[in-house]
Amino acid sequence: GAGVSQSPSNKVTEKGKDVELRCDPISGHTALYWYRQSLGQGLEFLIYFQGNSAPDKSGLPSDRFSAERTGGSVSTLTIQRTQQEDSAVYLCASSLGGRRGEAFFGQGTRLTVV
Amino acid sequence: GQNIDQPTEMTATEGAIVQINCTYQTSGFNGLFWYQQHAGEAPTFLSYNVLDGLEEKGRFSSFLSRSKGYSYLLLKELQMKDSASYLCAPGDSNYQLIWGAGTKLIIKP
Repeated sequence: GAGVSQSPSNKVTEKGKDVELRCDPISGHTALYWYRQSLGQGLEFLIYFQGNSAPDKSGLPSDRFSAERTGGSVSTLTIQRTQQEDSAVYLCASSLGGRRGEAFFGQGTRLTVV
Repeated sequence: GQNIDQPTEMTATEGAIVQINCTYQTSGFNGLFWYQQHAGEAPTFLSYNVLDGLEEKGRFSSFLSRSKGYSYLLLKELQMKDSASYLCAPGDSNYQLIWGAGTKLIIKP
Protein backbone atom coordinates (compact mmCIF):
# COMPACT_ATOMS: atom_id res chain seq x y z
CA GLY A 1 0.00 0.00 0.00
CA ALA A 2 0.89 3.63 -0.21
CA GLY A 3 1.16 4.23 3.53
CA VAL A 4 1.67 2.48 6.85
CA SER A 5 -1.28 0.27 7.62
CA GLN A 6 -2.28 -0.81 11.12
CA SER A 7 -4.92 -3.28 12.16
CA PRO A 8 -7.26 -3.39 13.86
CA SER A 9 -8.09 0.31 14.09
CA ASN A 10 -9.96 -0.30 17.33
CA LYS A 11 -9.75 -3.14 19.81
CA VAL A 12 -11.72 -3.66 22.98
CA THR A 13 -10.54 -6.53 25.13
CA GLU A 14 -11.15 -7.90 28.57
CA LYS A 15 -8.54 -7.53 31.26
CA GLY A 16 -6.25 -10.55 31.29
CA LYS A 17 -6.65 -11.43 27.61
CA ASP A 18 -3.83 -11.32 25.08
CA VAL A 19 -3.95 -9.00 22.08
CA GLU A 20 -1.99 -8.76 18.83
CA LEU A 21 -1.60 -5.52 16.94
CA ARG A 22 -0.36 -5.55 13.37
CA CYS A 23 1.68 -3.06 11.37
CA ASP A 24 2.33 -3.17 7.63
CA PRO A 25 5.10 -0.65 6.89
CA ILE A 26 5.73 1.10 3.60
CA SER A 27 7.43 -1.28 1.19
CA GLY A 28 11.20 -0.89 1.28
CA HIS A 29 11.31 0.83 4.65
CA THR A 30 13.96 -0.80 6.79
CA ALA A 31 13.20 1.00 10.04
CA LEU A 32 10.04 0.38 12.04
CA TYR A 33 8.93 1.89 15.33
CA TRP A 34 6.17 1.13 17.80
CA TYR A 35 4.91 3.88 20.09
CA ARG A 36 2.16 4.22 22.65
CA GLN A 37 0.22 7.42 23.20
CA SER A 38 -2.27 8.07 25.96
CA LEU A 39 -4.86 10.84 25.61
CA GLY A 40 -3.21 14.25 25.62
CA GLN A 41 0.24 12.79 26.17
CA GLY A 42 3.40 12.56 24.06
CA LEU A 43 4.70 9.55 22.20
CA GLU A 44 6.06 6.79 24.41
CA PHE A 45 8.73 4.77 22.61
CA LEU A 46 8.27 1.00 22.79
CA ILE A 47 10.55 -0.73 20.28
CA TYR A 48 12.68 0.04 17.21
CA PHE A 49 13.61 -2.33 14.40
CA GLN A 50 16.35 -1.37 11.93
CA GLY A 51 17.12 -3.79 9.14
CA ASN A 52 18.76 -6.98 10.38
CA SER A 53 20.11 -5.39 13.56
CA ALA A 54 18.93 -6.54 16.96
CA PRO A 55 15.84 -4.48 17.87
CA ASP A 56 16.01 -1.82 20.55
CA LYS A 57 13.48 -3.09 23.07
CA SER A 58 14.41 -0.61 25.79
CA GLY A 59 10.98 1.05 25.75
CA LEU A 60 8.87 -2.03 26.37
CA PRO A 61 7.20 -1.35 29.74
CA SER A 62 7.09 -4.95 30.99
CA ASP A 63 7.69 -8.53 29.92
CA ARG A 64 4.02 -8.74 28.96
CA PHE A 65 4.93 -6.75 25.86
CA SER A 66 6.77 -8.26 22.92
CA ALA A 67 7.17 -7.48 19.24
CA GLU A 68 8.53 -9.18 16.22
CA ARG A 69 9.15 -8.25 12.64
CA THR A 70 9.01 -11.06 10.14
CA GLY A 71 11.02 -10.94 6.94
CA GLY A 72 11.94 -7.32 7.57
CA SER A 73 8.40 -6.24 6.78
CA VAL A 74 5.23 -6.82 8.80
CA SER A 75 5.46 -6.35 12.55
CA THR A 76 3.26 -7.64 15.34
CA LEU A 77 3.08 -6.15 18.82
CA THR A 78 1.73 -8.62 21.38
CA ILE A 79 0.45 -7.68 24.81
CA GLN A 80 -0.15 -10.59 27.13
CA ARG A 81 -2.51 -10.55 30.11
CA THR A 82 -3.71 -7.04 29.31
CA GLN A 83 -4.26 -4.55 32.10
CA GLN A 84 -6.42 -1.44 32.15
CA GLU A 85 -3.33 0.77 32.11
CA ASP A 86 -2.46 -0.70 28.71
CA SER A 87 -5.36 1.26 27.22
CA ALA A 88 -3.90 3.74 24.74
CA VAL A 89 -3.39 4.36 21.03
CA TYR A 90 -0.58 2.21 19.66
CA LEU A 91 1.18 3.87 16.73
CA CYS A 92 3.50 2.27 14.23
CA ALA A 93 5.87 4.24 12.01
CA SER A 94 8.34 3.25 9.32
CA SER A 95 11.18 4.99 7.53
CA LEU A 96 13.89 4.34 4.98
CA GLY A 97 16.37 4.45 7.84
CA GLY A 98 19.71 6.18 8.02
CA ARG A 99 19.79 9.85 7.13
CA ARG A 100 16.59 9.52 5.12
CA GLY A 101 14.84 9.03 8.42
CA GLU A 102 11.53 10.75 7.84
CA ALA A 103 9.05 8.54 9.66
CA PHE A 104 5.61 7.86 8.27
CA PHE A 105 2.94 6.94 10.78
CA GLY A 106 0.00 4.61 10.58
CA GLN A 107 -3.35 5.76 11.94
CA GLY A 108 -2.87 3.68 15.06
CA THR A 109 -4.79 1.04 16.96
CA ARG A 110 -6.94 2.31 19.80
CA LEU A 111 -6.80 -0.34 22.51
CA THR A 112 -9.34 -0.31 25.32
CA VAL A 113 -8.99 -2.82 28.14
CA VAL A 114 -12.19 -3.25 30.14
CA GLY B 1 20.92 10.30 28.92
CA GLN B 2 18.73 11.53 26.13
CA ASN B 3 16.42 14.44 26.76
CA ILE B 4 14.15 16.71 24.76
CA ASP B 5 12.67 19.94 26.15
CA GLN B 6 9.73 21.80 24.62
CA PRO B 7 7.14 24.09 26.15
CA THR B 8 4.01 22.17 27.07
CA GLU B 9 1.55 24.66 25.65
CA MET B 10 1.53 27.94 23.73
CA THR B 11 -1.25 30.28 22.67
CA ALA B 12 -1.16 32.62 19.67
CA THR B 13 -3.53 34.73 17.63
CA GLU B 14 -4.73 34.01 14.11
CA GLY B 15 -2.54 35.83 11.58
CA ALA B 16 0.36 36.22 13.99
CA ILE B 17 3.77 34.50 14.20
CA VAL B 18 4.80 31.94 16.81
CA GLN B 19 8.15 30.31 17.58
CA ILE B 20 8.27 26.90 19.27
CA ASN B 21 11.62 26.12 20.84
CA CYS B 22 13.24 22.74 21.40
CA THR B 23 16.44 21.89 23.22
CA TYR B 24 17.87 18.41 23.06
CA GLN B 25 20.58 16.12 24.36
CA THR B 26 21.12 12.90 22.47
CA SER B 27 23.76 10.20 22.11
CA GLY B 28 25.11 11.33 18.78
CA PHE B 29 23.08 13.40 16.36
CA ASN B 30 21.71 12.70 12.92
CA GLY B 31 19.37 15.51 12.04
CA LEU B 32 16.24 16.86 13.69
CA PHE B 33 12.63 16.46 12.60
CA TRP B 34 9.53 18.47 13.38
CA TYR B 35 6.12 16.83 13.19
CA GLN B 36 2.58 18.13 13.50
CA GLN B 37 -0.12 16.13 15.24
CA HIS B 38 -3.76 17.13 15.23
CA ALA B 39 -5.90 15.75 18.02
CA GLY B 40 -6.93 12.18 17.34
CA GLU B 41 -4.64 11.85 14.35
CA ALA B 42 -1.17 10.43 13.67
CA PRO B 43 1.85 12.76 13.48
CA THR B 44 2.79 14.07 10.05
CA PHE B 45 6.21 15.29 8.88
CA LEU B 46 6.86 19.04 8.71
CA SER B 47 10.59 19.62 8.38
CA TYR B 48 14.09 18.21 8.69
CA ASN B 49 17.33 20.00 9.57
CA VAL B 50 20.72 18.35 9.50
CA LEU B 51 22.97 21.41 9.08
CA ASP B 52 22.95 24.63 11.09
CA GLY B 53 20.70 27.36 9.85
CA LEU B 54 17.19 28.05 8.72
CA GLU B 55 15.10 25.87 6.42
CA GLU B 56 12.06 27.65 5.00
CA LYS B 57 9.02 25.89 3.67
CA GLY B 58 6.09 28.16 2.97
CA ARG B 59 4.57 29.45 6.20
CA PHE B 60 6.77 27.11 8.27
CA SER B 61 10.50 27.48 8.93
CA SER B 62 12.81 25.44 11.12
CA PHE B 63 16.15 26.44 12.58
CA LEU B 64 18.97 24.33 13.97
CA SER B 65 22.06 25.06 16.03
CA ARG B 66 23.95 21.82 16.62
CA SER B 67 26.52 23.39 18.94
CA LYS B 68 23.75 24.65 21.22
CA GLY B 69 21.52 21.57 20.93
CA TYR B 70 18.72 23.90 19.94
CA SER B 71 16.04 24.09 17.29
CA TYR B 72 12.92 26.12 16.72
CA LEU B 73 9.88 25.90 14.50
CA LEU B 74 8.54 29.22 13.25
CA LEU B 75 4.97 29.43 12.05
CA LYS B 76 3.85 32.57 10.19
CA GLU B 77 0.41 33.89 9.23
CA LEU B 78 -1.19 31.53 11.69
CA GLN B 79 -4.43 29.87 10.70
CA MET B 80 -6.98 28.18 12.93
CA LYS B 81 -6.06 24.84 11.34
CA ASP B 82 -2.54 25.23 12.79
CA SER B 83 -3.97 24.38 16.21
CA ALA B 84 -2.17 21.10 16.93
CA SER B 85 0.72 19.61 18.84
CA TYR B 86 4.20 20.13 17.43
CA LEU B 87 6.76 17.42 18.12
CA CYS B 88 10.53 17.86 18.04
CA ALA B 89 12.48 14.66 17.26
CA PRO B 90 16.26 14.54 16.87
CA GLY B 91 17.87 11.38 15.49
CA ASP B 92 20.55 9.76 17.64
CA SER B 93 23.71 7.93 16.60
CA ASN B 94 21.63 4.89 15.55
CA TYR B 95 19.32 7.14 13.50
CA GLN B 96 16.61 6.38 16.04
CA LEU B 97 14.18 9.26 16.52
CA ILE B 98 13.96 10.54 20.08
CA TRP B 99 10.66 12.31 20.68
CA GLY B 100 9.80 15.25 22.85
CA ALA B 101 6.41 15.39 24.59
CA GLY B 102 5.26 17.99 22.10
CA THR B 103 4.00 21.55 22.34
CA LYS B 104 0.26 22.07 22.16
CA LEU B 105 -0.40 25.20 20.12
CA ILE B 106 -3.74 26.93 20.60
CA ILE B 107 -4.75 29.51 18.00
CA LYS B 108 -7.32 32.11 19.01
CA PRO B 109 -9.32 34.28 16.57
